[in-house]
Amino acid sequence: GENVEQHPSTLSVQEGDSAVIKCTYSDSASNYFPWYKQELGKRPQLIIDIRSNVGEKKDQRIAVTLNKTAKHFSLHITETQPEDSAVYFCAANLIQGAQKLVFGQGTRLTINP
Amino acid sequence: GAVVSQHPSWVICKSGTSVKIECRSLDFQATTMFWYRQFPKQSLMLMATSNEGSKATYEQGVEKDKFLINHASLTLSTLTVTSAHPEDSSFYICSARSGLAGHNEQFFGPGTRLTVL
Repeated sequence: GENVEQHPSTLSVQEGDSAVIKCTYSDSASNYFPWYKQELGKRPQLIIDIRSNVGEKKDQRIAVTLNKTAKHFSLHITETQPEDSAVYFCAANLIQGAQKLVFGQGTRLTINP
Repeated sequence: GAVVSQHPSWVICKSGTSVKIECRSLDFQATTMFWYRQFPKQSLMLMATSNEGSKATYEQGVEKDKFLINHASLTLSTLTVTSAHPEDSSFYICSARSGLAGHNEQFFGPGTRLTVL
């Protein structure tokens, strides 16, 4: 089955700097990789996703890169702002059956003003 | 679009009672819904996958007789925690996905915080 590893578990950056969160996955058949942002006590919100037929996707200050050969993908947040502080989860899908998502362990991002 | 609601948002119950949680997709038809459990400062743990009109598929270690799931329509799935005990206290979150080809996105409900006394 799929296994998703996420690093780091905590990340603290100065406001305005960039933040990078990395994930690796084990199943080479996975073809969908979403990133979720979860604020304390709230629902995970999809912020960006990427499919295996592209290597990079960008949406304003957020970008995701995918290296299929190495089986890793990363979230990049530029010009960080205090409201970016949250827990971020990466995930990869299981191709078989209901195409469940397997989540990483999460990264607690803190933006210091 | 892609709004998922969940009710109740929080519930406190006595040990031994049952609690039902509803998950609704408000503006799309969800052929598949997922139920997760999340402990403080931890990741999302998938409990079961619910398909409209069929029996739910439970993850290893999740008791199907303890956590009853019903997906009676394309917009509603329910999770019933039967004979709840304090160790069942957790944050329960559902997600929904449309059945459209190529649409892998899962959209999450706001979660239900269950406290069993």
